[in-house]
Amino acid sequence: ETGVTQSPTHLIKTRGQQVTLRCSSQSGHNTVSWYQQALGQGPQFIFQYYREEENGRGNFPPRFSGLQFPNYSSELNVNALELDDSALYLCASSLVTHFSTDTQYFGPGTRLTVL
Amino acid sequence: GENVEQHPSTLSVQEGDSAVIKCTYSDSASNYFPWYKQELGKRPQLIIDIRSNVGEKKDQRIAVTLNKTAKHFSLHITETQPEDSAVYFCAVNTGTASKLTFGTGTRLQVTL
Repeated sequence: ETGVTQSPTHLIKTRGQQVTLRCSSQSGHNTVSWYQQALGQGPQFIFQYYREEENGRGNFPPRFSGLQFPNYSSELNVNALELDDSALYLCASSLVTHFSTDTQYFGPGTRLTVL
Repeated sequence: GENVEQHPSTLSVQEGDSAVIKCTYSDSASNYFPWYKQELGKRPQLIIDIRSNVGEKKDQRIAVTLNKTAKHFSLHITETQPEDSAVYFCAVNTGTASKLTFGTGTRLQVTL
């Protein structure tokens, strides 16, 4: 098991609401990436945070936003929830130096259901 | 953007046989190619990875081969066991943001 943790484990929301998901990175890691995994599909990259700044973003609208804190933990915020936002949200932590590619280790995920 | 195709979508093998899963990618600048195993309801777990300066890597029963010219890489599992049953995802890193683009997954079933 990795040292990456996420909370909450499960969450049920209704359309239009807002949600905040949390991720604690593995000790020694400085980068957190967020992915959305719909049922039966591979994870889709949402964005990455490095040194508290967004460092790359996938094809997700601005209502998906995030934060990274000085201890490298991170939050994913989704506003104006839609039914299609129902998915498993995964965070992955890694150690990035000089922007080199590095192994990403995933947390257990947060299962979000939007009704 | 990067496009990753993965085949087959399902694979059934008998215990002890070998399994091979293939992925192709589109961006010749891609430089990192991990494979993840995901059991039902669990997180993706890294099982092996390879970087663009290496053609093959092996870890016990698992190996990955990379053909940069053809832009494809493959996962090889030998002497399969029932606990190898899971969904396997290939991924490709694009750019400096460590953005992983995943394949669509292969459901591997190892039967007794």
